[in-house]
Amino acid sequence: AQSVTQPDIHITVSEGASLELRCNYSYGATPYLFWYVQSPGQGLQLLLKYFSGDTLVQGIKGFEAEFKRSQSSFNLRKPSVHWSDAAEYFCAVPGSSNTGKLIFGQGTTLQVKP
Amino acid sequence: GAVVSQHPSWVICKSGTSVKIECRSLDFQATTMFWYRQFPKQSLMLMATSNEGSKATYEQGVEKDKFLINHASLTLSTLTVTSAHPEDSSFYICSASTAGLGETQYFGPGTRLLVL
Repeated sequence: AQSVTQPDIHITVSEGASLELRCNYSYGATPYLFWYVQSPGQGLQLLLKYFSGDTLVQGIKGFEAEFKRSQSSFNLRKPSVHWSDAAEYFCAVPGSSNTGKLIFGQGTTLQVKP
Repeated sequence: GAVVSQHPSWVICKSGTSVKIECRSLDFQATTMFWYRQFPKQSLMLMATSNEGSKATYEQGVEKDKFLINHASLTLSTLTVTSAHPEDSSFYICSASTAGLGETQYFGPGTRLLVL
């Protein structure tokens, strides 16, 4: 069955430092993969998605993610974090049927220190 | 593009009353809309999937008579929490997509419900 694991519940980084949020998935075929960000009290915003092709995907707000099939991972990175990046980050994969459902990871809370 | 709105953004109601939440896709036609519930510090829990013109598909454990979903058009879905109780207090988020495997879901800003 499809599943997503975000091993880090909470991460704290200093402003200006680099960031990597981990996402591991279990999927029966070549997966579609998504990263969403949620600011406090808000809905989710799509950061980036991988469907096929180049395994390094560029997203909004300076984020990128790399699909590594051998490691079943789709880690999110940003070279220099800004205080406004503090939020909850969710990795997601489609559910098993062709319904458009998404399966979300548990989320990673990012705290940015000044 | 791909903007989804929700109304209201927050609502307070008395126990036993019903509350309706609207979800609209503003600049695209959404063949499928999804309703989620989110508890503090937790991930999203899918409640139901609704397709335009047909009955919603509810996830296991979600009471369909309590959470009524209507998807009357390609741009509007509504969630009605009937006879609300304090335990229904939560953050409700909708999303919209053009359906199909791998299709991107675009999320609304959420509705915070507090039942007194």
